[in-house]
Amino acid sequence: QSVLTQPPSVSAAPGQKVTISCSGSSSNIGSNFVSWYQQFPGTAPKLLIYDNNKRPSGIPDRFSASKSGTSATLGITGLQTGDEADYYCGTWDNSLSGGVFGGGVFGGGTKLTVL
Amino acid sequence: QLQLQESGPGLVRPSETLSLTCTVSGGSISSSSYYWGWIRQPPGKGLEWIGSIFYDAYTYYNPSLKSRVTISVDTSKNQLSLKLTSVTAADTAVYFCARQSQPWTYSSGYYPWGQGTLVTVSS
Repeated sequence: QSVLTQPPSVSAAPGQKVTISCSGSSSNIGSNFVSWYQQFPGTAPKLLIYDNNKRPSGIPDRFSASKSGTSATLGITGLQTGDEADYYCGTWDNSLSGGVFGGGVFGGGTKLTVL
Repeated sequence: QLQLQESGPGLVRPSETLSLTCTVSGGSISSSSYYWGWIRQPPGKGLEWIGSIFYDAYTYYNPSLKSRVTISVDTSKNQLSLKLTSVTAADTAVYFCARQSQPWTYSSGYYPWGQGTLVTVSS
């Protein structure tokens, strides 16, 4: 059971827009920056978004994200078949399992299918 | 360009210690103000944060693994290391090392990542 909740799967047609939600709590998303990752089978995750809504160099502006309260959302516009992958949100939890310093947490991942 | 590469045994016996190394190239692990971390991913499952280290002095561990995990830095070799004791089949996973994308923060997302190394726990 992941600390952050994501839908297991989403789908949309090529060229359309899709959003992926990430729900948490006041001790994680509500208090810290959220990041988003894209992962293809057999490869390492790739950072798409950091600090809630910033794109690293080289990430197209088709990818965007926002945060509101204890939830975050990743949006992908102009969907391409090459966007089919697993997407993960991540952040820090200030009170992970009661730990003094907290720790990193991830969502369970969302599989994007481009129909 | 900073690159990370994990290495270590691909097979570990139950109850033994898993030891992995992450070699950093294209930059110094000690000259920057970044958090470095280990993340793992069991086959077919999601990502799990194992722990982070900052300046070879401050370590933060997943409470669920804290009693078994040690993360350290060898600045002379420009390496990050992970040790996980008393492993079971549940520790079978691809293990990734990574660095935070921004300095002085543990919550700005990880970039770059190593390619990952699969560790299987089996007798």
